[in-house]
Amino acid sequence: GQNIDQPTEMTATEGAIVQINCTYQTSGFNGLFWYQQHAGEAPTFLSYNVLDGLEEKGRFSSFLSRSKGYSYLLLKELQMKDSASYLCAVSSGTYKYIFGTGTRLKVLA
Amino acid sequence: TAGITQAPTSQILAAGRSMTLRCTQDMRHNAMYWYRQDLGLGLRLIHYSNTAGTTGKGEVPDGYSVSRANTDDFPLTLASAVPSQTSVYFCASSASEVNEQFFGPGTRLTVL
Repeated sequence: GQNIDQPTEMTATEGAIVQINCTYQTSGFNGLFWYQQHAGEAPTFLSYNVLDGLEEKGRFSSFLSRSKGYSYLLLKELQMKDSASYLCAVSSGTYKYIFGTGTRLKVLA
Repeated sequence: TAGITQAPTSQILAAGRSMTLRCTQDMRHNAMYWYRQDLGLGLRLIHYSNTAGTTGKGEVPDGYSVSRANTDDFPLTLASAVPSQTSVYFCASSASEVNEQFFGPGTRLTVL
């Protein structure tokens, strides 16, 4: 079967660094996406990895290891507005996407 | 630029009734998608379309139908709603399958 696992909830302090892990088992792989979703709102795109390695974009970085079926999203210099759910998604085939259930991040002052 | 819009914002529907959720994008994206999001289950793909005139089934297509008459519009129809279709429905679009998806604001549907 196809499966994506990520922690349900994490808590971190403002100004800190947090790493959100995602492991996946899918029948195909065309890339891995991270989205941010604030409560009651639509998901918004954060990053895309298709090759192994680290992609950096401002305070956010995403890492992929295809051989291990593993990715992480790294958030630096946490701000209160980063409190949200973070969704890991895999493109597993032609226009087929599998989403994880999301990691709810709480940033404390 | 509006991006991607959905209507209605929310709806309460009696079981057995039909309903069409509307979705329109102005980004000229080839691909469009319908997802449902349920607590504890995450986003699940219902149907997709990779270009006007073509549609495909996602993970949970039963009870739903779609059409793609043109590039901009991708309506989702529930022919005979059931309570298990109570959910938040998101429409999304992307330039291609390896580009990020842009999501609409969602439609909250309650079937009683």
